[in-house]
Amino acid sequence: DAGVTQSPTHLIKTRGQQVTLRCSPKSGHDTVSWYQQALGQGPQFIFQYYEEEERQRGNFPDRFSGHQFPNYSSELNVNALLLGDSALYLCASSLAGGREQYFGPGTRLTVT
Amino acid sequence: GQNIDQPTEMTATEGAIVQINCTYQTSGFNGLFWYQQHAGEAPTFLSYNVLDGLEEKGRFSSFLSRSKGYSYLLLKELQMKDSASYLCAVRDSAGYQKVTFGTGTKLQVIP
Repeated sequence: DAGVTQSPTHLIKTRGQQVTLRCSPKSGHDTVSWYQQALGQGPQFIFQYYEEEERQRGNFPDRFSGHQFPNYSSELNVNALLLGDSALYLCASSLAGGREQYFGPGTRLTVT
Repeated sequence: GQNIDQPTEMTATEGAIVQINCTYQTSGFNGLFWYQQHAGEAPTFLSYNVLDGLEEKGRFSSFLSRSKGYSYLLLKELQMKDSASYLCAVRDSAGYQKVTFGTGTKLQVIP
């Protein structure tokens, strides 16, 4: 049973560029949440997807957008990258109404 | 909104017991997570408490008091591999149950 997977593992981009990160949830899970984790901080909630719709959003600008596909996998897009967007981006999957939430290995994004 | 407080750092000795506290002030509460995160890695799920009381899972136990807005994670028989950050996170009861994380407690286990 595959857990949560993310790609790519690492990414280096230049200011102003756009990036797409991908996530496949744990088998049987239907809800995907995205988090940004800066060094030494806890994960910050970006948004959550369920049934292909964004259900809830944290305090992130519109440069951050996402999508969920019919197979429950998800993408996070960030436009007009800033240096401050450098962080570990984590995807977490869960079952709607379930108790547990599992994280993928993350994508380390560096913006230069 | 949610406000979650944890100690920044703790040090404990191999073989000992350590308790990591977490207090929270929330507008709504559905449950509380504990995660372990080793440096450079993703958080690993440890526990999810919904009701008051202690839940034990091997060397790790988690306690919740909803009336006091308080939880702790208890680690017994500490091992060197337990050196990691421990994250407390609260799931909201409103809407679609957003999860808010504290900044984490960095635990160092020494010989």
